[in-house]
Amino acid sequence: AQSVTQLGSHVSVSEGALVLLRCNYSSSVPPYLFWYVQYPNQGLQLLLKYTTGATLVKGINGFEAEFKKSETSFHLTKPSAHMSDAAEYFCAVSERGSNYKLTFGKGTLLTVNP
Amino acid sequence: GAGVSQSPSNKVTEKGKDVELRCDPISGHTALYWYRQSLGQGLEFLIYFQGNSAPDKSGLPSDRFSAERTGGSVSTLTIQRTQQEDSAVYLCASSLAAIGYNEQFFGPGTRLTVL
Repeated sequence: AQSVTQLGSHVSVSEGALVLLRCNYSSSVPPYLFWYVQYPNQGLQLLLKYTTGATLVKGINGFEAEFKKSETSFHLTKPSAHMSDAAEYFCAVSERGSNYKLTFGKGTLLTVNP
Repeated sequence: GAGVSQSPSNKVTEKGKDVELRCDPISGHTALYWYRQSLGQGLEFLIYFQGNSAPDKSGLPSDRFSAERTGGSVSTLTIQRTQQEDSAVYLCASSLAAIGYNEQFFGPGTRLTVL
């Protein structure tokens, strides 16, 4: 069975600092990988996804993530945090093949301090 | 265009009552999913519909939960004899087709509180 581990339920950074949110997965074969963001009282919005090809994926709002098969990781980064980045971030996987449902990590709450 | 909509946005009910939660997917999306978001369990898959195929109910936590999708569009999630542990945010998502790499578009959710 697939599983997703997000290290750190809460990450706090200063405005302008690097954002690094960690995600590791467990799967028999490399899955499809996603990062979603959830702002307060809103649904989830896709930031970026990895399906195939280039392992460095760029998404919206300046975020990017790198798929590292050897480390079974898909960490999310942003060079310079903005106040508007404060939200909860979820890493998710979907198994290749006929499977379709998303398996989510527990989420990481990002706080950005002025 | 319009996104996924859900109603009601908030629902407060008494233990033992039945509730119905509604989801309107994006037009043209054939796949529809229900997830539950709770403090203790995080985000969990509940049920999935793809076109006219039989739904995958493997994530439903008990037989008190059921869902239907009429005309391949609107879906209703029903919880019978609600319990306090059913309190959560219920999220609906839709995608163009049930393929693992397709983006799922999420609605704003229905916050259910069982007193």
